Amino acid sequence: GAVVSQHPSRVICKSGTSVKIECRSLDFQATTMFWYRQFPKQSLMLMATSNEGSKATYEQGVEKDKFLINHASLTLSTLTVTSAHPEDSSFYICSARDPSSFADTQYFGPGTRLTVL
Amino acid sequence: GENVEQHPSTLSVQEGDSAVIKCTYSDSASNYFPWYKQELGKRPQLIIDIRSNVGEKKDQRIAVTLNKTAKHFSLHITETQPEDSAVYFCAATASGGSYIPTFGRGTSLIVHP
Repeated sequence: GAVVSQHPSRVICKSGTSVKIECRSLDFQATTMFWYRQFPKQSLMLMATSNEGSKATYEQGVEKDKFLINHASLTLSTLTVTSAHPEDSSFYICSARDPSSFADTQYFGPGTRLTVL
Repeated sequence: GENVEQHPSTLSVQEGDSAVIKCTYSDSASNYFPWYKQELGKRPQLIIDIRSNVGEKKDQRIAVTLNKTAKHFSLHITETQPEDSAVYFCAATASGGSYIPTFGRGTSLIVHP
């Protein structure tokens, strides 16, 4: 199946700083990528849909000024958590679908564990 | 929008037993139903999927059944092994649209040796 990478895998930062997480599709071009947040023992919560060359679409309740998404190329989407606070600590996962495939399968990145001190 | 309910939230079985996880969905436009397995701290991995034009699909010890009329689908794992222990998520997607899957809350499967 298609491969999606994510970097960094873990990050620890101080409260008030910003953190950038990268999501890359390695062997296909993704016009759309998705960003999820997952709390311990909970399901995947969709935060936003990242659209190449246009603004991201945010889910209700997700602050677009706090979670900045940029999808500047067909293989890279970034999520920047601005002015991070301890409550932003979570597991962030991106996913993408290979549009050249007839399948509807979403392929997930390995996730980024963010800890805000 | 789509609503996916998943049960049970926790399932504990003995090695060798079968495990069944059930999901229901609300949007009749949904036509693609993947199942993901997520081990602790790792990414969700697709283990099997089914489309609405098929009633059942099997892959070795794993099978999925779909009842479109009742809007429910189930994951069946036979001859469970300790390495099957993980959290399993079902999802429902409407093809041809945004392809955004709606996930169930997950089932924590524990297989005791």
